[in-house]
Amino acid sequence: DMQMTQSPSFLSASVGDTVTITCRASERISRWLAWYQQRPGKAPNLLIYKASILESGVPSRFSGSGSGTEFTLTISSLQPDDFATYYCQQYNSYPWTFGQGTKVEIK
Amino acid sequence: QVQLVQSGGEMKKPGASVRVSCKASGYIFTIFGITWVRQAPGQGLEWMGWISSDDGNTNYAQKFQGRVTMTTDTSTSTAYMDLRSLRSDDTAVYYCARGKFGLGPSHFFGIDVWGQGTTVTVSS
Repeated sequence: DMQMTQSPSFLSASVGDTVTITCRASERISRWLAWYQQRPGKAPNLLIYKASILESGVPSRFSGSGSGTEFTLTISSLQPDDFATYYCQQYNSYPWTFGQGTKVEIK
Repeated sequence: QVQLVQSGGEMKKPGASVRVSCKASGYIFTIFGITWVRQAPGQGLEWMGWISSDDGNTNYAQKFQGRVTMTTDTSTSTAYMDLRSLRSDDTAVYYCARGKFGLGPSHFFGIDVWGQGTTVTVSS
């Protein structure tokens, strides 16, 4: 199975900061990668697909980039609502797999 | 509005089976497929498979092959996930979610609508 490795697993940041989360695939996946946000006790929420396409209704402070094996999710000017866990997901090959998650907490 | 509403939590003994339902509303059910993703307590997300709502075509993760069956009832816009031979490590929140499946990654736009989750607890 394709392995997706996120770094860091945990980060502490302040409101207004810019943070970057990295997701690395064990094999090349072109740009077939999505990012999700999950708040505690809630279902995941789609942020980005095809590595960089922002889902409708998602604030523009979220952005994604990358191709091949390395991808990034950047959150500019962190807002209180953004403190959550973020997952990448590859859909290049089956089984679809997720990264282990990056928890963003308030410093 | 577009939503997926799942059935309530379940407690099962090891070896039993569970059925989780997922009722869709606010969109044409057969245009999108349904996928199932689970999350063990304190853990990450695990994809189980998907079903095309129009033709019933399925794609299961090999890990669940032989134990899982996904079906849909287009007359009620409801999807079902049956998991058999339950073990304690099947204890998780099970999510249904919507997407475009089966046409390759260029036609997939992410899993854009999720149910609220169903907690399945397996314990003797």
